[in-house]
Amino acid sequence: EVHLVESGGVEVQPGGSLRLSCAASGFNFDDYAMHWVRQGPGKGLEWISFINWRGSEPLYSDSVEGRFTIARDNAENSLYLQMNSLRPEDTGLYFCVKDAGLRDWYFDSWGRGTLVTVSS
Amino acid sequence: SVLTQPPSVSGAPGQRVTISCTGRDSNIGAGYDVHWYQQLPGRAPKLLIYANTNRPSGVPDRFSGSNSGTSASLAITGLQGEDEADYYCLSYDTSLSGVVFGGGTKLTVL
Repeated sequence: EVHLVESGGVEVQPGGSLRLSCAASGFNFDDYAMHWVRQGPGKGLEWISFINWRGSEPLYSDSVEGRFTIARDNAENSLYLQMNSLRPEDTGLYFCVKDAGLRDWYFDSWGRGTLVTVSS
Repeated sequence: SVLTQPPSVSGAPGQRVTISCTGRDSNIGAGYDVHWYQQLPGRAPKLLIYANTNRPSGVPDRFSGSNSGTSASLAITGLQGEDEADYYCLSYDTSLSGVVFGGGTKLTVL
């Protein structure tokens, strides 16, 4: 069974930085692309980043481009999201999600999410 | 949102409801698949329909998907109280080089 467990979400001040982690298990991690998706309080889902199985070709939504960096460590079965220059609108629940394939562009497994709060 | 969904739909138990998802020539209209997710209150989203019409194992056949042109639809028949949730469509957008979601539709079972 696929398990994705996010961690690292805390309250941080505007302009601050944070690193989210996702521990993956139950599947061959390096056979799949991975993504981060977030959900603001009371809001809908927003895709924010993609990384391919090798850890290259990162993609970002316009809302986080230049501020967030996605990375993975296949030896550790882990996915990361480095978040810099955080803004109040970055507040939300951040989900680690598994692509259905190498680049199928949809998600067949989700973690429970980790909560990021950006507030002064 | 790049994909447009109605904010809310409702129906009585046993009835049929549909949720629309309207896109553009850069996503659904370009032939990219549409996928649907169900999010129960306080839970992570769950894959409901993938590649327009396919149900993952364990999803009841009361749920079905279709698409045509720049739009897609999710149909739920034999509505049950446990279906009360938020529903999201998803596709790939070639002009944005990324995944796009619909704004979500809240289903209320009357």
